[in-house]
Amino acid sequence: RKEVEQDPGPFNVPEGATVAFNCTYSNSASQSFFWYRQDCRKEPKLLMSVYSSGNEDGRFTAQLNRASQYISLLIRDSKLSDSATYLCVVITSGTYKYIFGTGTRLKVLA
Amino acid sequence: EAGVTQFPSHSVIEKGQTVTLRCDPISGHDNLYWYRRVMGKEIKFLLHFVKESKQDESGMPNNRFLAERTGGTYSTLKVQPAELEDSGVYFCASSQELGGLGETQYFGPGTRLLVL
Repeated sequence: RKEVEQDPGPFNVPEGATVAFNCTYSNSASQSFFWYRQDCRKEPKLLMSVYSSGNEDGRFTAQLNRASQYISLLIRDSKLSDSATYLCVVITSGTYKYIFGTGTRLKVLA
Repeated sequence: EAGVTQFPSHSVIEKGQTVTLRCDPISGHDNLYWYRRVMGKEIKFLLHFVKESKQDESGMPNNRFLAERTGGTYSTLKVQPAELEDSGVYFCASSQELGGLGETQYFGPGTRLLVL
């Protein structure tokens, strides 16, 4: 079983739609959580960190559920420019390395 | 502020040859990481430097891979001799701190390595 699991998609949604991705992690000692965005043939770029209390940045909302060991990303009012692969990243306590999910592809359609 | 840079952007070599990848982290970032993505798989950790010291090299696949960070600035990753399964995208990342708000890692554009 992978340490971090994501639905690879693709999720095809119309402009203006709301879309949600989930990511599950297997190690209960995981302590830090992030969502990164990766455009085709580009490097991963930080979208947002995920905190226990949940956090929001404009149209993006991230939630952490430690009991069920998953994190989520909600994108409201999708734009064409949101089309990308969204990577779930976890850091395990006592280490500093990123553990990546395989990513979820999002395509926002006009 | 300049981001993480990597050189070369692409490399095509034959099996058995040697390739050296270079990474320049963001200025002032003591932490430097190497990751690799092989086709169809997730990005995987290779190793982590704190300044010039190897903090964690648990992800290095075998002794054909050698990473260095002399002087604690830029880093090189050498693959010798290269095998077909080494093909993939090699990313470098750097972070300011370990833990806390400074632990965010910033990634370079990657080096695309193809071994024929």
